[in-house]
Amino acid sequence: DGGITQSPKYLFRKEGQNVTLSCEQNLNHDAMYWYRQDPGQGLRLIYYSQIVNDFQKGDIAEGYSVSREKKESFPLTVTSAQKNPTAFYLCASMQGNGNQPQHFGDGTRLSIL
Amino acid sequence: QKEVEQDPGPLSVPEGAIVSLNCTYSNSAFQYFMWYRQYSRKGPELLMYTYSSGNKEDGRFTAQVDKSSKYISLFIRDSQPSDSATYLCAMSVKAAGNKLTFGGGTRVLVKP
Repeated sequence: DGGITQSPKYLFRKEGQNVTLSCEQNLNHDAMYWYRQDPGQGLRLIYYSQIVNDFQKGDIAEGYSVSREKKESFPLTVTSAQKNPTAFYLCASMQGNGNQPQHFGDGTRLSIL
Repeated sequence: QKEVEQDPGPLSVPEGAIVSLNCTYSNSAFQYFMWYRQYSRKGPELLMYTYSSGNKEDGRFTAQVDKSSKYISLFIRDSQPSDSATYLCAMSVKAAGNKLTFGGGTRVLVKP
C-alpha cells in the first residue's frame, strides 16, 4: 500500500540533545512538508521541499533542520536550540507543484525527559 | 488575529443529526480549501478538497465555499459515533508553494 510512514511514533529528548524524526513516502510525490501541532493551535509549517536537494523555511523553522537527499525521504532534526520541542510532528507529501491536496502521515509525538 | 479562525468546540450532537462546521479567513488570495478529519494520536485525513466558490458533495459530506464572505463550511449528514474527531479546515494560495494555513480545529462528539 502506498503511504507516508513516520517513525518513531513516540520519542523522548534529553536537554541539549538533537533528535531526528523520520518521514518516508512511497507515493512518488515531489513535495514534502513538516508541520508542528500544538493543542488548540492547528498545524504550523516548519520546513517544506518541492524538489530533491532543495528546501525552504516555513513559519517556525528556528531550532529545526532538514535534508532532502532522496525523493522519498525528508527527515527532520529537532536541535537543542529548539527550546520548546514538546509537540506532535506531522509529515505530509503532495503530488506535483500546484493544485493537489497534501496527505499526511500518522505523526511522531516528541516529549522532553 | 489569526489568518484562519475556527471554533474549537467541542460540538456535541446526537447520532443522526447534521453536524455543521465552519471557518472564516482574512486572506482573499486563498484559492484552495480543504477539510481534514483527525482522530486522536493520528494524522489528518483528507475529507474534502475544493477550488474557488461553490458546493461539493461526497456521500454524507458537503463542503461550501463563499469567497465573497471569506467563509467555508462542512456539513455531515446522518452523523455516526465514528464521526467523533477533530475537524481541521485548511487553505492555500497556489503560488506560495502550496503551503497550507490551518484553522485550530473543531472537536466533534457524536453521542449514540
